[in-house]
Amino acid sequence: QQQVKQSPQSLIVQKGGISIINCAYENTAFDYFPWYQQFPGKGPALLIAIRPDVSEKKEGRFTISFNKSAKQFSLHIMDSQPGDSATYFCAGLNSGGSNYKLTFGKGTLLTVNP
Amino acid sequence: DTGVSQNPRHKITKRGQNVTFRCDPISEHNRLYWYRQTLGQGPEFLTYFQNEAQLEKSRLLSDRFSAERPKGSFSTLEIQRTEQGDSAMYLCASSPRGKQGSYEQYFGPGTRLTVT
Repeated sequence: QQQVKQSPQSLIVQKGGISIINCAYENTAFDYFPWYQQFPGKGPALLIAIRPDVSEKKEGRFTISFNKSAKQFSLHIMDSQPGDSATYFCAGLNSGGSNYKLTFGKGTLLTVNP
Repeated sequence: DTGVSQNPRHKITKRGQNVTFRCDPISEHNRLYWYRQTLGQGPEFLTYFQNEAQLEKSRLLSDRFSAERPKGSFSTLEIQRTEQGDSAMYLCASSPRGKQGSYEQYFGPGTRLTVT
């Protein structure tokens, strides 16, 4: 059972454009939703996260939009740069659970062309 | 560097051998996690420690896998009788003693295991 579905699988954007990655979750107990950025050969790095009591969170060029009723959330990268080229993962976590484990999507490979 | 560290970074072993990986979490982080990541997939949860107590193990963690966190500091993940299907990136993450709403997990660089 894939609890977090991520799309698209890959995305190509021109420098300066907006990159949009979408995620849908099934587990209604999830109440913490982070996004991670991963470069080849490196571990995932936490970018930004949101709790479901807000509909949007912005940090620099990165914005999460959250739709609780649709059980969807998305990452928007404004003014995309070649250095943003990486794989992005969304995830969900149930803070009321016993283990605080993250359940990840399958990832989106973002390529930003110069 | 005060981030999560993992050693070794790469390990090549022959099928049937035992391997052990080490993770040093961020200082004073009481929660420690192991995840496994295969090519083209997101990380999958393996096990979780709060201090020295191993509180949960995924069904992915067969009897050949064992993890420890003595004294609640560093952790080791051992795989016995390795199989080719064990080839993956093994990631360690830690998170701080939970203040309200604090669930950030910080990942190390991973150990890339190749079983030949």
